[in-house]
Amino acid sequence: DADVTQTPRNRITKTGKRIMLECSQTKGHDRMYWYRQDPGLGLRLIYYSFDVKDINKGEISDGYSVSRQAQAKFSLSLESAIPNQTALYFCASKSSANTGELFFGEGSRLTVL
Amino acid sequence: AQTVTQSQPEMSVQEAETVTLSCTYDTSESDYYLFWYKQPPSRQMILVIRQEAYKQQNATENRFSVNFQKAAKSFSLKISDSQLGDAAMYFCAYRHFGNEKLTFGTGTRLTIIP
Repeated sequence: DADVTQTPRNRITKTGKRIMLECSQTKGHDRMYWYRQDPGLGLRLIYYSFDVKDINKGEISDGYSVSRQAQAKFSLSLESAIPNQTALYFCASKSSANTGELFFGEGSRLTVL
Repeated sequence: AQTVTQSQPEMSVQEAETVTLSCTYDTSESDYYLFWYKQPPSRQMILVIRQEAYKQQNATENRFSVNFQKAAKSFSLKISDSQLGDAAMYFCAYRHFGNEKLTFGTGTRLTIIP
């Protein structure tokens, strides 16, 4: 089983719909992240969380919200999806050790029509 | 702000040959980490190699090695004895010591020619 699991893997939705992308990790990490990948732009940080009560905005948080339901679970929501939110979304986790590497999920491809 | 530049959108190499992917970065910090991630068609981001800026010795992981030039702010990845399974997008990334944000380059698509 994957250490970082994302659901759904693929989703097509319509403009204005609410969408939730879920992420869970079995690494026991306290830090979790949501990134967005667009062609030609690499990955950009949306939100990150140090623990259940500590959530921080990344560089492109507008239009998104997150919830850290437990140490192992971190979900990303689009309250009213728009077409330019069509992208590949990655969840990742990391230990609090400064040298710790990010462990990524397999990505959730979202298409907003 | 830190930026990471990968100037080669696409590269190709003959199987069993050696290829070097380029990466430059811009930062005013002295303590940081540099990474190369591989993204195969399966989409998952996989860490290939990591370099701590305070280490002068270049990191190596089996067939993968880096040429880290701190003064020039250059961090290239060399893949020796290329294999078909090396075909993927490769991303260079930077993280300042103590900062949570990982800044990625735009990626280089590597094709392996049989």
